[in-house]
Amino acid sequence: QVQLQESGPGLVKPSETLSLTCTVSGGSLSSYYWTWIRQPPGKGLEWIGCIYYSGTTDYNPSLKSRVTISVDTSKNQFSLELSSVTAADTAVYYCARQRGNIGWFDPWGQGTLVTVSS
Amino acid sequence: EIVLTQSPATLSLSAGERATLSCRASQSVSSNLVWYQQKFGQAPRLLMYEASNRATGIPARFSGSGSGTDFTLTISSLEPEDFAVYYCQQRTNWPLTFGGGTKIEIK
Repeated sequence: QVQLQESGPGLVKPSETLSLTCTVSGGSLSSYYWTWIRQPPGKGLEWIGCIYYSGTTDYNPSLKSRVTISVDTSKNQFSLELSSVTAADTAVYYCARQRGNIGWFDPWGQGTLVTVSS
Repeated sequence: EIVLTQSPATLSLSAGERATLSCRASQSVSSNLVWYQQKFGQAPRLLMYEASNRATGIPARFSGSGSGTDFTLTISSLEPEDFAVYYCQQRTNWPLTFGGGTKIEIK
């Protein structure tokens, strides 16, 4: 079965760029959309954006100016970059498989906490 | 952006009781409504898709209903492992959005 695992720094300084990678095991990236979602501590879920295995992307307009999602099919990975971070970007970041270009999320990675602080 | 409002924010119930959770959309999402369960410290897990279809491995005590703007997730008889936070999500319009969640706590 497909499993996802997020990796990357747990601490990022304000104004810098947050970079995370999601490694997919047990299956190929092909024919699916792959997504990033975040959850500030004690709060709800926010969809960040997604990428098709071919490289087509869609982003949440609220974050679009700061977000880049990319894919590396040779490594079975996709990545998130969020620039100019502030404390408001502190959250658990999840990667997930998205069913369809406007779909639901299953399965999810376990999530990784990223704290923005100097 | 479609706003999803979940109610109540918290539900205090005992094991064996019936739980009824509501999700209301700011505009019609047809049947494009999804439910997730999130236990403390864990990632969300898919429960229901297309409003009323149980995901693989989800017990029959979970059921979903509704269309348009009003949706309900029902747990017929709460098991100890069902005490968690439940989120709805719409997949009709970009951006994909979630409700604020309903927490089912032990009474």
